Amino acid sequence: DVKVTQSSRYLVKRTGEKVFLECVQDMDHENMFWYRQDPGLGLRLIYFSYDVKMKEKGDIPEGYSVSREKKERFSLILESASTNQTSMYLCASTTRDFPPNEQFFGPGTRLTVL
Amino acid sequence: AQKITQTQPGMFVQEKEAVTLDCTYDTSDQSYGLFWYKQPSSGEMIFLIYQGSYDEQNATEGRYSLNFQKARKSANLVISASQLGDSAMYFCAMRERTKAAGNKLTFGGGTRVLVKP
Repeated sequence: DVKVTQSSRYLVKRTGEKVFLECVQDMDHENMFWYRQDPGLGLRLIYFSYDVKMKEKGDIPEGYSVSREKKERFSLILESASTNQTSMYLCASTTRDFPPNEQFFGPGTRLTVL
Repeated sequence: AQKITQTQPGMFVQEKEAVTLDCTYDTSDQSYGLFWYKQPSSGEMIFLIYQGSYDEQNATEGRYSLNFQKARKSANLVISASQLGDSAMYFCAMRERTKAAGNKLTFGGGTRVLVKP
């Protein structure tokens, strides 16, 4: 079975801190994604990566950056955390092949910024 | 730009009855894919069913079926014989094929389903 793991289930940080969220997948997937989930808004794409060292902005990239140095690992970075970044963060991965090549999700990280 | 609309923020359904969750989408692409995911209270996202835009038959997976009406741009999820374990958030999503050959998904706002015994 595909497994996507995230470094923390719960995280509490202070405003202005630099925050790293790590995601690792074990199925050699080319594509990896970071979403944030907020009530009523569904999941919104922050960044995604289709290959090592390659990345594209999603719908809400402001305040975030990403890093993909190895195929299995995709990191989300909050350079200076703010309270409006309090949210659930979900990582996902998928292959490049069609179809259905559904996205496989990690368990999520609930981040609170105080 | 693509958009997914789920107009039902929440709904109750009686155990053993069927329930339909609405999803409409907006795209100018000819080739696209539609997905439904389930998110129980534990938080994990569980893939339920997929429909390709060129698939002529409606997708089915066990108790889940997708009522795909291409002209209306709707992709409603039907859950038959609801069970207590079906209580969850349900998300409709559409896949866009980006120039980078990624598999970017756009999600709707979700529908919370509560199954009553």
